[in-house]
Amino acid sequence: DIVMTQSPDSLAVSLGERATINCQSSQSVLHSSTNKNHLAWYQQKPGQPPKLLFYWASTRESGVPDRFSGSGSGTDFTLTISSLQAEDVAVYYCQQYVGIKTFGQGTKVEI
Amino acid sequence: EVHLVESGGGLVQPGGSLRLSCAASGFTFSGTWMSWVRQAPGKGLEWVANIKEDGSVQIYVDSVKGRFTISRDNAKNSLFLQMNSLRAEDTAVYYCARDNLGGRFDHWGQGALVTVSS
Repeated sequence: DIVMTQSPDSLAVSLGERATINCQSSQSVLHSSTNKNHLAWYQQKPGQPPKLLFYWASTRESGVPDRFSGSGSGTDFTLTISSLQAEDVAVYYCQQYVGIKTFGQGTKVEI
Repeated sequence: EVHLVESGGGLVQPGGSLRLSCAASGFTFSGTWMSWVRQAPGKGLEWVANIKEDGSVQIYVDSVKGRFTISRDNAKNSLFLQMNSLRAEDTAVYYCARDNLGGRFDHWGQGALVTVSS
């Protein structure tokens, strides 16, 4: 199975500053049949289920603020929050869906 | 609006069984794969199993193969997870999730807590 590794495990960012989360897969998640990266990002706030933010690595789900962006290809991916807001405090997960679906361990974002 | 509502969680002894249900509404249930994803207390997310639109294909994570069975009833817009031979390490919140177009989870239920303890 593909192992997803996120870094850092946690980060503290000042309000209005940039937050960057990295996700690395043990093998490429660029699928030959779709020519797309089968990589999603989720946000999970305490006591809530996860919420889909991005799929195909960089396609923003409807309703997600544009201060969030997703990038990367192959084995290296990044989730960026350009200007952190209080409501962005959460744990963020990457997930690959090439084969057996696996998640990263999560990155906790705090103020 | 898509709604997924899990039920059936609770406390069970090691070696016991439990059946989770997920009631779906707001979308064409029979037209999409569905998954179960779990989260142990204070831990990350783990995909458990998924099932094809017509129920003809089921896929499982290795740790639950032979113990868990995913099924669905498209006439009742319902998803199920039969869990047998439960272990302490199966303790988690179990989420029902819509498995959209290749494997991203675009809608989630609120989750059902399963606690395996004597």
